[in-house]
Amino acid sequence: AQKVTQAQTEISVVEKEDVTLDCVYETRDTTYYLFWYKQPPSGELVFLIRRNSFDEQNEISGRYSWNFQKSTSSFNFTITASQVVDSAVYFCALSVLRGDDKIIFGKGTRLHILP
Amino acid sequence: DAMVIQNPRYQVTQFGKPVTLSCSQTLNHNVMYWYQQKSSQAPKLLFHYYDKDFNNEADTPDNFQSRRPNTSFCFLDIRSPGLGDAAMYLCATSRVVLDRGPPDTQYFGPGTRLTVL
Repeated sequence: AQKVTQAQTEISVVEKEDVTLDCVYETRDTTYYLFWYKQPPSGELVFLIRRNSFDEQNEISGRYSWNFQKSTSSFNFTITASQVVDSAVYFCALSVLRGDDKIIFGKGTRLHILP
Repeated sequence: DAMVIQNPRYQVTQFGKPVTLSCSQTLNHNVMYWYQQKSSQAPKLLFHYYDKDFNNEADTPDNFQSRRPNTSFCFLDIRSPGLGDAAMYLCATSRVVLDRGPPDTQYFGPGTRLTVL
């Protein structure tokens, strides 16, 4: 069975601090995809990144970076120099190549950026 | 811009009064999903359509039904809403290129927040 664990339920940091959101996944499949979504207070789930299991290269997009480590089954997300607009709930998710067209979400981490 | 649209954004209904939520997409994606999300929880998949094939989740109550009359539109019908059905309902779409190949990214609409009085 597949599972995504986001152990941090809620995090608060002061603006301009760096913050890392943890994500640990479980799957027996060798081909899988990992995602991060952001859900601001408005409610829409905004896609941030997709990674497949064969690509362990870390990714940086502006202030966002992602660290994919297959050895520890982790796909952590770091925001550098956080801003108040980064306040949201962040979901890590997993899908596998089994044709059921579904993704499994973690429970989410609520991030508060304090001014 | 290609997008996923949900109407209405806010819906208020009375206990037991049927309600329909709509979703449309301009992405021409072949898979459409309906999720229910309650406060401080992850989205919970209710069902999805792979083209015209309907796939219901085992724990989705019979009270929830869906229709997909064409590629662009998908509806969520709640036949007799209860207080426990108050939630955010999210529609998402994705593209599966090969026959049951790897799922592409799911793109979400803004959601419909349902209140049941």
